[in-house]
Amino acid sequence: AAGVIQSPRHLIKEKRETATLKCYPIPRHDTVYWYQQGPGQDPQFLISFYEKMQSDKGSIPDRFSAQQFSDYHSELNMSSLELGDSALYFCASSSGQGSSPLHFGNGTRLTVT
Amino acid sequence: GDSVTQMEGPVTLSEEAFLTINCTYTATGYPSLFWYVQYPGEGLQLLLKATKADDKGSNKGFEATYRKETTSFHLEKGSVQVSDSAVYFCALYNGSGNTGKLIFGQGTTLQVKP
Repeated sequence: AAGVIQSPRHLIKEKRETATLKCYPIPRHDTVYWYQQGPGQDPQFLISFYEKMQSDKGSIPDRFSAQQFSDYHSELNMSSLELGDSALYFCASSSGQGSSPLHFGNGTRLTVT
Repeated sequence: GDSVTQMEGPVTLSEEAFLTINCTYTATGYPSLFWYVQYPGEGLQLLLKATKADDKGSNKGFEATYRKETTSFHLEKGSVQVSDSAVYFCALYNGSGNTGKLIFGQGTTLQVKP
């Protein structure tokens, strides 16, 4: 079965650079979520989109922005990168209903040097 | 706000031992509850879920029962294998309409030795 696709798998950036992470949800899933997982930490919710509109917002820094496009894929844009942004970034998708489980991609590992 | 608390790890067991990982939650309303598993270097995989009180989720020998009276969703397995070694996250989803998010516990590392 098709899964959530994230790209790239690994990304190395320097401080103050920008990064763009991409997420392709499972077909017919209309909701996308972004999570950040620091080393040894639980995933922290950043932001979500339903039908291309932002539906909920968590602890996303102002330096980050995201959007969902007409084909339902989503991009997380990160600017003025800091060392503390080094983490695993997960995208998840669901059919938009609360009891419908979130399906996660394998994540993008961002390293900021 | 809503939160999930798991027992601290690591939990180290011998193969074929009985596993319990405790999970309790605080939430308004009626959240759905989930267990996710994360193998090294991989993403989060849904293990099981329960959407209402007294529901039992089960998968691959793992079970968890949604206990509203004790606000708990403890994960159990009767006989663990080395391949079960991973980090296990308890999570709740609380939302209405198309808003809401998954809130995770801090994760419990399980190490199973042959």
